[in-house]
Amino acid sequence: DAGVTQSPTHLIKTRGQHVTLRCSPISGHKSVSWYQQVLGQGPQFIFQYYEKEERGRGNFPDRFSARQFPNYSSELNVNALLLGDSALYLCASSSVGGLQPQHFGDGTRLSIL
Amino acid sequence: EDQVTQSPEALRLQEGESSSLNCSYTVSGLRGLFWYRQDPGKGPEFLFTLYSAGEEKEKERLKATLTKKESFLHITAPKPEDSATYLCARGIREKLTFGTGTRLTIIP
Repeated sequence: DAGVTQSPTHLIKTRGQHVTLRCSPISGHKSVSWYQQVLGQGPQFIFQYYEKEERGRGNFPDRFSARQFPNYSSELNVNALLLGDSALYLCASSSVGGLQPQHFGDGTRLSIL
Repeated sequence: EDQVTQSPEALRLQEGESSSLNCSYTVSGLRGLFWYRQDPGKGPEFLFTLYSAGEEKEKERLKATLTKKESFLHITAPKPEDSATYLCARGIREKLTFGTGTRLTIIP
């Protein structure tokens, strides 16, 4: 079975640009979450989407936004990129009910020059 | 809000030398405790979920335990392929709060 897939794997942008990252969840998973992982740190929660609605938001500025599509895939958008946005962006999916584990993709490595 | 602290930050062991990794957290209540393994350049790989104090789970050379305030990941007779960063997280409703991880190196 295919796991969580993310694209692109690597991306280089300059300050002020915007970026769109994509995620396809595991088949049958309806919940998608996004995390930012800075080098040497644990992942930090950005958003959670379920049934195309935002169900949770972490402590990130409004430059960060996301959406979920009818097929449960998701996009993360970041506007007005800053040097500090350089990180590994991880997408995770889970089935619904109780505290089901989240399964992560291998992420998009975003570098801001 | 949950705070999750992992120790040690890094651990080097000889092959076959057993040890334990610690994960402590500040908020009790109805949340899961999750352990993940992360290899360089990869996303976290799910290992265990623990819900209740006293619960234990095992997988190959790994055993996870849970108390009201902390969790331990015990690694028995590790092999070089067990080298990775081990992350723990507390979560509810798909929002996970992660620790900074323990970077484990197993020396042949």
